[in-house]
Amino acid sequence: GAGVSQSPRYKVTKRGQDVALRCDPISGHVSLYWYRQALGQGPEFLTYFNYEAQQDKSGLPNDRFSAERPEGSISTLTIQRTEQRDSAMYRCASSPRNEKLFFGSGTQLSVL
Amino acid sequence: DQQVKQNSPSLSVQEGRISILNCDYTNSMFDYFLWYKKYPAEGPTFLISISSIKDKNEDGRFTVFLNKSAKHLSLHIVPSQPGDSAVYFCAASDGGNEKLTFGTGTRLTIIP
Repeated sequence: GAGVSQSPRYKVTKRGQDVALRCDPISGHVSLYWYRQALGQGPEFLTYFNYEAQQDKSGLPNDRFSAERPEGSISTLTIQRTEQRDSAMYRCASSPRNEKLFFGSGTQLSVL
Repeated sequence: DQQVKQNSPSLSVQEGRISILNCDYTNSMFDYFLWYKKYPAEGPTFLISISSIKDKNEDGRFTVFLNKSAKHLSLHIVPSQPGDSAVYFCAASDGGNEKLTFGTGTRLTIIP
């Protein structure tokens, strides 16, 4: 595809369930980023990868959040034991190394 | 603690006039600044950037001004067009694109 693809577009889950959010970056992009955006706020950094290596995970809120990019392409953000406060838009972005970010349309997560 | 602040949640401007969007930051380590534009149901898209060694960067109708002593930047759009109606996010980092801190956004409406 031409852009960053995220799936699912919407995810509704019950509190306590685990969720996995997928990001398919632009082909050839070295860097992949995860951001979270609450309603009325700007995107908030979570973590990023260069190739398969996680470079910075300082933005992950707690140990229920994890991310991987095992083959340096598709990435998965996993949230275990979801809580209502996890409800937000989760945005993935990719870029050629240290260049401008291209964002996907996001996954809207609702935890009931 | 909001390190990047956009104090105007919304702005309306007549078509053909100048739009001025403002952004303030508190972290003196920030040395790279960007503006992103976001249409409904889409991810943010990169608009323009400026590094701290400059005080102005221009790209077509868009100009970003940086006042380091005041920790303030602004985006000027001249002339404003209906397609400029969107939410504009200011972002900053302390080196490159790896970890951006975003403001809360300003919704710009261009009145035909």
